[in-house]
Amino acid sequence: DAGVIQSPRHEVTEMGQEVTLRCKPISGHNSLFWYRQTMMRGLELLIYFNNNVPIDDSGMPEDRFSAKMPNASFSTLKIQPSEPRDSAVYFCASSLVGQQAFFGQGTRLTVV
Amino acid sequence: TQLLEQSPQFLSIQEGENLTVYCNSSSVFSSLQWYRQEPGEGPVLLVTVVTGGEVKKLKRLTFQFGDARKDSSLHITAAQPGDTGLYLCAGAAGYSTLTFGKGTMLLVSP
Repeated sequence: DAGVIQSPRHEVTEMGQEVTLRCKPISGHNSLFWYRQTMMRGLELLIYFNNNVPIDDSGMPEDRFSAKMPNASFSTLKIQPSEPRDSAVYFCASSLVGQQAFFGQGTRLTVV
Repeated sequence: TQLLEQSPQFLSIQEGENLTVYCNSSSVFSSLQWYRQEPGEGPVLLVTVVTGGEVKKLKRLTFQFGDARKDSSLHITAAQPGDTGLYLCAGAAGYSTLTFGKGTMLLVSP
């Protein structure tokens, strides 16, 4: 298996634009997580899906952020409109429930 | 909110030295995980500790879970440049969600 695949690896966008980050989890995994990493706040959980259903979205900063998981092999994290303070590295991770989480390589987002 | 405090935040040492990094919380966790993250990559799991007082060894790395399951330490013997990276601890208290510390950035120079 190729592991968790995220795209794009890097994204630079202007303030106010819509940004969509994509994730393909490891086949067979039923849990998917979106994290955001910054120097100031470290690694923060944004949202957690189990069997494609959002279980905990308490970490989503505000209404500008939304996440979907239309099927077991694909998830998106959308920011609309984007702001400079959204600049961070966004990670997707997947696992079997209660077992080790495997992280993707991340998407480095810069909002100018 | 369960917080994990890691110390030190940054550590720069010479090859061959020993070091210990710490992960502390006021909360009890059912398990605690240690990850290493290299630049441009996602965190990779090193070990999971579950039982209070548990000690696990991974080659030159020794991990210990506190008796009260609130804290943990990672000791590296004879550090090598390949050990360079960000070391993250993460506590689990329910579901599969993890609370991460901010990490200790380790730089090992030849």
